[in-house]
Amino acid sequence: DSGVTQTPKHLITATGQRVTLRCSPRSGDLSVYWYQQSLDQGLQFLIQYYNGEERAKGNILERFSAQQFPDLHSELNLSSLELGDSALYFCAGGGKGGELFFGEGSRLTVL
Amino acid sequence: DAKTTQPPSMDCAEGRAANLPCNHSTISGNEYVYWYRQIHSQGPQYIIHGLKNNETNEMASLIITEDRKSSTLILPHATLRDTAVYYCIVRLRRDSSYKLIFGSGTRLLVRP
Repeated sequence: DSGVTQTPKHLITATGQRVTLRCSPRSGDLSVYWYQQSLDQGLQFLIQYYNGEERAKGNILERFSAQQFPDLHSELNLSSLELGDSALYFCAGGGKGGELFFGEGSRLTVL
Repeated sequence: DAKTTQPPSMDCAEGRAANLPCNHSTISGNEYVYWYRQIHSQGPQYIIHGLKNNETNEMASLIITEDRKSSTLILPHATLRDTAVYYCIVRLRRDSSYKLIFGSGTRLLVRP
């Protein structure tokens, strides 16, 4: 158990819809990272927040957005969903040694 | 971040040591080598990291060559549950404020 909590674990929705994925990092971790992993694809870095501020951006689509709240939990918002957005979405928190601790992911299926 | 090169797949027998190589010939002096693994579709799991000295923890050992251009992750007694994709990543260690970029990794199959 990494201590990073992601909800929901599974989500099925239709094209054009909007969903919100939630992540709670370990207590005291200031960083939150979001990754996307499509079927048989590698882990793609989306975005990172550090203590409420955006720190780094990866291959995140304009239809996607994220934020980190004062209590350090984070939400990833995915809108105008397309079939190709079906993927596992992982969130990770940062350890003091530079290691990342990942949650178990949210599996999104867009029909 | 320096680029890493790993074999796409390897296999080993259960109970034997699994030695996973990683090439990082462009590593700079202040970059660390991190290893993660991903079992099926679970969240990636941190294994170990090092700068220049060999490191060992309860999961594995990390051997870094003297010139730091390559490293080897050693699972001393592989079990079936070690079947996973193993990622070698080079990055600056900055108090977890630095993103990790995953490559394609090595798919390790542990055979009964």
